[in-house]
Amino acid sequence: DTAVSQTPKYLVTQMGNDKSIKCEQNLGHDTMYWYKQDSKKFLKIMFSYNNKELIINETVPNRFSPKSPDKAHLNLHINSLELGDSAVYFCASSPRKDGGPEPQHFGDGTRLSIL
Amino acid sequence: SQKIEQNSEALNIQEGKTATLTCNYTNYSPAYLQWYRQDPGRGPVFLLLIRENEKEKRKERLKVTFDTTLKQSLFHITASQPADSATYLCALGRRSSASKIIFGSGTRLSIRP
Repeated sequence: DTAVSQTPKYLVTQMGNDKSIKCEQNLGHDTMYWYKQDSKKFLKIMFSYNNKELIINETVPNRFSPKSPDKAHLNLHINSLELGDSAVYFCASSPRKDGGPEPQHFGDGTRLSIL
Repeated sequence: SQKIEQNSEALNIQEGKTATLTCNYTNYSPAYLQWYRQDPGRGPVFLLLIRENEKEKRKERLKVTFDTTLKQSLFHITASQPADSATYLCALGRRSSASKIIFGSGTRLSIRP
């Protein structure tokens, strides 16, 4: 009964391709996030959704498009993949969006490698 | 620009000793600070939260301090064990940032038997 699950765990693809990563949480949380962790291990927020509404949209190329069909799911679609997109992408969730300091619950990441 | 620095990339200590990790920040006024543990190939796991009006928090062998004057948090693991070996991340959040938190780059802690 994994709390935050991401698929796939590994994704190896060629430059220029389009790919999607899926995330689901069964914690009943209202807010979900996508983070990118680069080779230097910095974890940077990309997007956040609350009840299917986009609330955080950092400076991310518009090749990255999040989509939340319902509050338990947040998917990430990436168009025209570039070498610099190689990283580990983490999905996370937290109970609510009002700026409260709730812990975030992370999935185990999707390691994206661009050839 | 906002900056969060964790004291070193790696810290090696002997089992049984106290491990102390540092998180310093500049150009930021956090309302709270969180510490997470990350094991290789896994996502971060929440450990402790401390708010700006709190000086210290404890949980079992873990202790966190928060000094808003020094702009620093210290994370202590007492009676350290090899199983405590992991990367530890600090993360800062503001009151009105819609749950956005900013992470430091982490400190890799190794406890040798």
